[in-house]
Amino acid sequence: GQQLNQSPQSMFIQEGEDVSMNCTSSSIFNTWLWYKQEPGEGPVLLIALYKAGELTSNGRLTAQFGITRKDSFLNISASIPSDVGIYFCAGQSGETSGSRLTFGEGTQLTVNP
Amino acid sequence: KAGVTQTPRYLIKTRGQQVTLSCSPISGHRSVSWYQQTPGQGLQFLFEYFSETQRNKGNFPGRFSGRQFSNSRSEMNVSTLELGDSALYLCASSLVLGVTEAFFGQGTRLTVV
Repeated sequence: GQQLNQSPQSMFIQEGEDVSMNCTSSSIFNTWLWYKQEPGEGPVLLIALYKAGELTSNGRLTAQFGITRKDSFLNISASIPSDVGIYFCAGQSGETSGSRLTFGEGTQLTVNP
Repeated sequence: KAGVTQTPRYLIKTRGQQVTLSCSPISGHRSVSWYQQTPGQGLQFLFEYFSETQRNKGNFPGRFSGRQFSNSRSEMNVSTLELGDSALYLCASSLVLGVTEAFFGQGTRLTVV
């Protein structure tokens, strides 16, 4: 079945640093979504990407949909303590798969003040 | 606009029992998907409902079932609970079936003892 490889698994950074994480897949996806999850909560949608090559920003967050449609990255600039959490990438194939999401394993981000 | 509402937030059940979880999607959203999140397996797709019909199903045993009502609210049921069913069960709401943004509820934390 489809699998998403997300890296790195964890990151420990200082406040103010930039962060980059990415996801790769063996299959093509028609949508890439990035989520953040904090302890005891459900994932919160950060950015949605719908077109190959698309670069989208949401405040300090920037994400890109890879040209091959098999990868995506998320950058966080000037990190702050409230950026702490687990970041997930998710892909949608669409068509017969409906809205089904395939998730990466997550990147645990720790920001030291 | 209210978000996705899942009830209850926490449940403790005994092996062999059954459990029903509820999800109310965002107003106007017609697609509801369910996911299981565990430390070992991550986020795994259970099934998706649209217009009261199951449209997609993940790789889970028949003990896991669901339904959707005419108002788009959904329930999932797990029968003959096993210890390994302990997990965070998440519901995702989408406007339509297919490639689109999915918004998650806070989840129901199920513990099987």
